[in-house]
Amino acid sequence: GAVVSQHPSRVICKSGTSVKIECRSLDFQATTMFWYRQFPKQSLMLMATSNEGSKATYEQGVEKDKFLINHASLTLSTLTVTSAHPEDSSFYICSARGPGVGELFFGEGSRLTVL
Amino acid sequence: ILNVEQSPQSLHVQEGDSTNFTCSFPSSNFYALHWYRWETAKSPEALFVMTLNGDEKKKGRISATLNTKEGYSYLYIKGSQPEDSATYLCAFTNFGNEKLTFGTGTRLTIIP
Repeated sequence: GAVVSQHPSRVICKSGTSVKIECRSLDFQATTMFWYRQFPKQSLMLMATSNEGSKATYEQGVEKDKFLINHASLTLSTLTVTSAHPEDSSFYICSARGPGVGELFFGEGSRLTVL
Repeated sequence: ILNVEQSPQSLHVQEGDSTNFTCSFPSSNFYALHWYRWETAKSPEALFVMTLNGDEKKKGRISATLNTKEGYSYLYIKGSQPEDSATYLCAFTNFGNEKLTFGTGTRLTIIP
């Protein structure tokens, strides 16, 4: 099946710094990628839909200036958590729409800890 | 607000036993139901995508059924093996909306 790679898998940063997470589709082109966040004991919650060459669509309650999404190529989308605070500590995971109908392929996820 | 419920939250099963768990979802405006297996430190892996009421899908020892009228899906694992230990997620999409709404998952542990 198609492979999506996410990097870094773990990141620890100081409060106020910015962190960039990359999501790459390794063997297919992905015009649409999705970013999710998961807090402990909760479900994966969609944050935004990333479309290649256009602005991301954010879900209600997700601050677009806080979570910057760039999808500049057909194989790469990035999520930047700007001026991170401890409440941004969470598990972030991306997915990409694969070549088949209805198929979504996920990255491995990134655990962000903000001190 | 869409709500996807999975039960039980966690489950311990003896190796060799069969097991099943449930995903319930809103039945109105249904489009598709997805099942994923998520092993620790790995990517969620797609198991099934089901769209039609009465659908039954099978992959090896794992199978799933779908009832869109009452809004539930069952996942069955026959003859559990240690490698089946994982969190099983279901996700639902509405007609005309490609976004997945996930349940919290069922964490399955197979006891050797």
